[in-house]
Amino acid sequence: QKEVEQNSGPLSVPEGAIASLNCTYSDRGSQSFFWYRQYSGKSPELIMSIYSNGDKEDGRFTAQLNKASQYVSLLIRDSQPSDSATYLCAVNGEGGGNKLTFGTGTQLKVEL
Amino acid sequence: GAVVSQHPSWVICKSGTSVKIECRSLDFQATTMFWYRQFPKQSLMLMATSNEGSKATYEQGVEKDKFLINHASLTLSTLTVTSAHPEDSSFYICSVPGLANTGELFFGEGSRLTVL
Repeated sequence: QKEVEQNSGPLSVPEGAIASLNCTYSDRGSQSFFWYRQYSGKSPELIMSIYSNGDKEDGRFTAQLNKASQYVSLLIRDSQPSDSATYLCAVNGEGGGNKLTFGTGTQLKVEL
Repeated sequence: GAVVSQHPSWVICKSGTSVKIECRSLDFQATTMFWYRQFPKQSLMLMATSNEGSKATYEQGVEKDKFLINHASLTLSTLTVTSAHPEDSSFYICSVPGLANTGELFFGEGSRLTVL
């Protein structure tokens, strides 16, 4: 059974700091990796996708992928209170495609 | 990304009644849509894949006769929760895949169902 593991948190960081969110996955054949942000009571919003080993940067967000270790992370620089949300890691299966397995999410709290 | 609209945003119904949730892809045609369910403090669980013009594909453990899915057009999929019970109370979210078939999903606003 495919699994995606995340620390549920909450992860608390002060405003302006770097928040580091981690995720491990079990399906070694997975090809696509995503980070979604979900505010309380709302649906998920895609913030980052990464498909190859290494880092991918988009504004204040950096996704990091290490397929050998089956590990994907999300760094948020200059954290803002508006970044407070639950961050869901999602992974597709071997062979690619659109069926994703989601982790349970890490709750991030950015404190003033 | 795709713009996906869901309706209703929230619904309260009595036990034993049926509830229909609509999911519309507003800016491009979607031959496939996904229906997820999320219980409080839990992750999204895929319920079924809605296929335009054919039967939906249900995930293991999801009752196809209870959760009826119809994908009659390239822009609309509906999920009907039949004979709803309190344990069906959940957040139901539809999603549309991006054009590149890489797993990128765009979600509707979600529909919160409360069964009394």
